[in-house]
Amino acid sequence: GESVGLHLPTLSVQEGDNSIINCAYSNSASDYFIWYKQESGKGPQFIIDIRSNMDKRQGQRVTVLLNKTVKHLSLQIAATQPGDSAVYFCAENSNDYKLSFGAGTTVTVRA
Amino acid sequence: DVKVTQSSRYLVKRTGEKVFLECVQDMDHENMFWYRQDPGLGLRLIYFSYDVKMKEKGDIPEGYSVSREKKERFSLILESASTNQTSMYLCASTREGAYGYTFGSGTRLTVV
Repeated sequence: GESVGLHLPTLSVQEGDNSIINCAYSNSASDYFIWYKQESGKGPQFIIDIRSNMDKRQGQRVTVLLNKTVKHLSLQIAATQPGDSAVYFCAENSNDYKLSFGAGTTVTVRA
Repeated sequence: DVKVTQSSRYLVKRTGEKVFLECVQDMDHENMFWYRQDPGLGLRLIYFSYDVKMKEKGDIPEGYSVSREKKERFSLILESASTNQTSMYLCASTREGAYGYTFGSGTRLTVV
């Protein structure tokens, strides 16, 4: 079946550096993508979303890039902070407002 | 703020027990979902509901059932718990026509 996956299960980044988290998706019909952040002991929280008619969307310190040609999604975090340590999931709409999630990337910020 | 509340953070149950996981949302959302989360597998959809008394199977419904008698409450039922159902269970909701889920904090279930 269709699936959403992340390239790397873990990412270690120095505080203050920029982080890039990657995600590959396989459903070419998906038209909506979301990034979630899950801190330890909490449920996933919405970070940013993007529709397939866009290539880039910016939020506060975060940017999502969408490359539909190669079915690739990325999340960029500027000036990574200790509070950014978490598991990050990408998700795509499969159909009927259901989301399919990747396995997640664990980001660890080094002081 | 939208709030999705799962009644238990941690549960320990014995094999063969019937287990109820409760989820309540306070924003009048039509859609509610149950996922399980396992290391390396991400979130997998168990069941979802678009309206009261409606339910649809997700990707891994075997061994589970659900109940939605009221709009705000969506219950996940493990008819006869097994050790392979040890997992983190996440409930989510969203309004009709929206994709952005709001998640609860999760219930970590251990079946011994």
